Amino acid sequence: GNSVTQMEGPVTLSEEAFLTINCTYTATGYPSLFWYVQYPGEGLQLLLKATKADDKGSNKGFEATYRKETTSFHLEKGSVQVSDSAVYFCALRARGATNKLIFGTGTLLAVQP
Amino acid sequence: DAMVIQNPRYQVTQFGKPVTLSCSQTLNHNVMYWYQQKSSQAPKLLFHYYDKDFNNEADTPDNFQSRRPNTSFCFLDIRSPGLGDAAMYLCATSGAGTDYEQYFGPGTRLTVT
Repeated sequence: GNSVTQMEGPVTLSEEAFLTINCTYTATGYPSLFWYVQYPGEGLQLLLKATKADDKGSNKGFEATYRKETTSFHLEKGSVQVSDSAVYFCALRARGATNKLIFGTGTLLAVQP
Repeated sequence: DAMVIQNPRYQVTQFGKPVTLSCSQTLNHNVMYWYQQKSSQAPKLLFHYYDKDFNNEADTPDNFQSRRPNTSFCFLDIRSPGLGDAAMYLCATSGAGTDYEQYFGPGTRLTVT
């Protein structure tokens, strides 16, 4: 079946450090891939997405590249800020009629000043 | 601003006492979803409505029901809450088709005493 595995947290970084949060997936066919962010007390917000192999999604300084050969979609940011502290969820949407999202377990990022 | 609204944000119910969670949207989206998110776990889809068509996930317990009286509103009914049903319940909406982003509400945190 379809599944998403992401690195466990918490990830604690100092401000301006480089961020990588690993995400790998298992899916039949070619899914669309997403990163969602959940700030404290809020709902999930779409951060970025990629719909086919080698696509790069980017937003607010975050990037992730759809790697079919390694079935990965790692999230990166060159210089994190305290305001980036949140839980980050990797997710996939399988091809087909349904719009169902399958999420990873989330990674808590804590950025210290 | 167009948005997804969930009420209440925090709900406490007693073991076995029916409870209803509410979701409304101003996006005029065709599809509405309910997810269950337990502590430190991934959001898990319970069911979704495509207009008036109800789509239940195979592993959603019968204890969970939903109603969608019109485009704007969707309710989650838990008929006999157990301690294991304590979780964050997330409502999301999207347009029809497989290429539409899901927009999430802030969630309702349910406590069962």
